[in-house]
Parts: sequence; C-alpha cells; structure tokens
Amino acid sequence: AQTVTQSQPEMSVQEAETVTLSCTYDTSESDYYLFWYKQPPSRQMILVIRQEAYKQQNATENRFSVNFQKAAKSFSLKISDSQLGDAAMYFCAYRNYNGNQFYFGTGTSLTVIP
Amino acid sequence: DGGITQSPKYLFRKEGQNVTLSCEQNLNHDAMYWYRQDPGQGLRLIYYSQIVNDFQKGDIAEGYSVSREKKESFPLTVTSAQKNPTAFYLCASSIPGRNYEQYFGPGTRLTVT
Repeated sequence: AQTVTQSQPEMSVQEAETVTLSCTYDTSESDYYLFWYKQPPSRQMILVIRQEAYKQQNATENRFSVNFQKAAKSFSLKISDSQLGDAAMYFCAYRNYNGNQFYFGTGTSLTVIP
Repeated sequence: DGGITQSPKYLFRKEGQNVTLSCEQNLNHDAMYWYRQDPGQGLRLIYYSQIVNDFQKGDIAEGYSVSREKKESFPLTVTSAQKNPTAFYLCASSIPGRNYEQYFGPGTRLTVT
C-alpha cells in the first residue's frame, strides 16, 4: 500500500501571511492523483485542490496552490493571504491511477492567529 | 441537492451491543467507503465497495461488517468484537476512475461505554 506522510502535526500562521504544509508519499507508480482536503471544526471533509501526476504544471485554486515535485515525491500546499476560516485540519491524499483506493496522511492542524 | 448523508450525527451504545451506522448517497457513485478517524491517526480505511453486492476489507476491518445491497446505501455495523469502537466514522463515495476525488458525508461520532 502507498504511504502518505505529513510530518507537521501542527502549524500556525498569522492572518494575511503565507503558510506551506508538507506532504510526501511513497509509490512505485508513474501515474497517480494527489489531493488536499480540509476538515474544519464541523468535521466535514472538503476538497481543496487536486493534482494529476502526469501534469507538470502545479495546480492552483484561488489562494491555494501546490508545489508538486514528482521526483522527490513531494506535494506541499501553500495557502496565501491566510484567513481565519482557513483554520482546520488538512489532509494529503493519494489515489492510484487505476484503482479506487485513497491513502491519507495523518493530517496537519493549522491555526490562524488574528 | 446531491450528497452523502450519515445518520445519526452522535450515537451512544453500551459495550457488547452491535450498532449500525447509516450511509446514503444520491450522487450515483459506484464506489463507497468507510473510514475511522482517531486523533493523530488520520483516516483509516475500514471497508470499501466498488459495486453492488461486492466489498473489500480495508486496513482495519476486524470487528466491523458491511453490506451493499443497493447502490445508494452502504451501512456499517460495529460489532461487539471491535475492541475500541469509540471513534468518528466517515463515509465517502467516488466515481471509479482517474482524477475524481472522494465526497464525504458529515460523519457519525460513536461513543461506546
């Protein structure tokens, strides 16, 4: 099974500043899909951003962007202009190319300081 | 509106009792999943189903059982054999295939005393 590692259990950022959450994964596949999910205090999981491994261009969604380094098997999430509503648990997830299984990291708890 | 419903939001049971958690989706997704979430451990896969009347064990299936008699429904039974059943349970669904993400229900918090 693939392994997804989030080495930062907790992070904090000042409001309006930028923060980067780290994620690494282990796989022998060349094609796969990566996701970042946000879980606010309501505990509803919300998709933040996705990346296809065959695409070299890093995905962006408004204030959220990724730094996808395929050779390093790294998939970090950058949150720009942090807002109080960004405070949540963030999970990195991997999906293999031909399967239906998703593999999740242990999460990073993000605190936004006013 | 399409989505996934899980009921109830909070569930309390006495030790030794089986309990069934409900998960229903109207997204017409073929694949459905059950995860358990504990502090510091992320999401751990219990069972998943890619098609009606078929399901596979995940990483922590012991003490749990599922059924998939209808495409829309994937109930999870927590049996008395599950040693530490108190946890937050998430149901999800997805379209089989490539870059589709999982859609999640709101979750059920099960407390067993």
